Amino acid sequence: NAGVTQTPKFQVLKTGQSMTLQCAQDMNHEYMSWYRQDPGMGLRLIHYSVGAGITDQGEVPNGYNVSRSTTEDFPLRLLSAAPSQTSVYFCASSWGVRGVQETQYFGPGTRLLVL
Amino acid sequence: GQQVMQIPQYQHVQEGEDFTTYCNSSTTLSNIQWYKQRPGGHPVFLIQLVKSGEVKKQKRLTFQFGEAKKNSSLHITATQTTDVGTYFCAGAYSGAGSYQLTFGKGTKLSVIP
Repeated sequence: NAGVTQTPKFQVLKTGQSMTLQCAQDMNHEYMSWYRQDPGMGLRLIHYSVGAGITDQGEVPNGYNVSRSTTEDFPLRLLSAAPSQTSVYFCASSWGVRGVQETQYFGPGTRLLVL
Repeated sequence: GQQVMQIPQYQHVQEGEDFTTYCNSSTTLSNIQWYKQRPGGHPVFLIQLVKSGEVKKQKRLTFQFGEAKKNSSLHITATQTTDVGTYFCAGAYSGAGSYQLTFGKGTKLSVIP
């Protein structure tokens, strides 16, 4: 199993550009989530999904969209990039609909710089 | 929203010294999880505590969950250079917000050889 994979590893954007961060898992996990990590801020939840077709907002959802058309994939879209979105983005997945009650498996992360 | 406070933010220890990080929630937790993130890496699951007063050990690491399920600690005995990294606690709640895991800000551990 590859586990949780994320692409790209690094990305530089200009303000106003849009892009999609890809996340995929091959463990048949129901629960998937996106976090951003900023220095001194820990991990903050952006969006999460409890299954295909079901998504919801986390703590910091503004400026991001998600969709979950399959169990395996959970892409994160930046609609119009801003410098405040410069961060490291982690995707995570876990068993079961009540995913926060289970071990979270994290992807390797995407480092994003918005100029 | 729910908040999990974690202290200290940084800890520098000599190799062989002990290390402890603490987490506290203002409301009762359903469970608490601990993760370790090596520099440049991603968070990796260490352990989950579910029961009130629970204590679990992994070699030199001891994890505790408070009786009221509002606080937790991670203690490392006789630190080694391989312990370097940031340790995060993450709290899960029942009821509203129960699908969201709330992370503490982490404790960054440096070990001086």
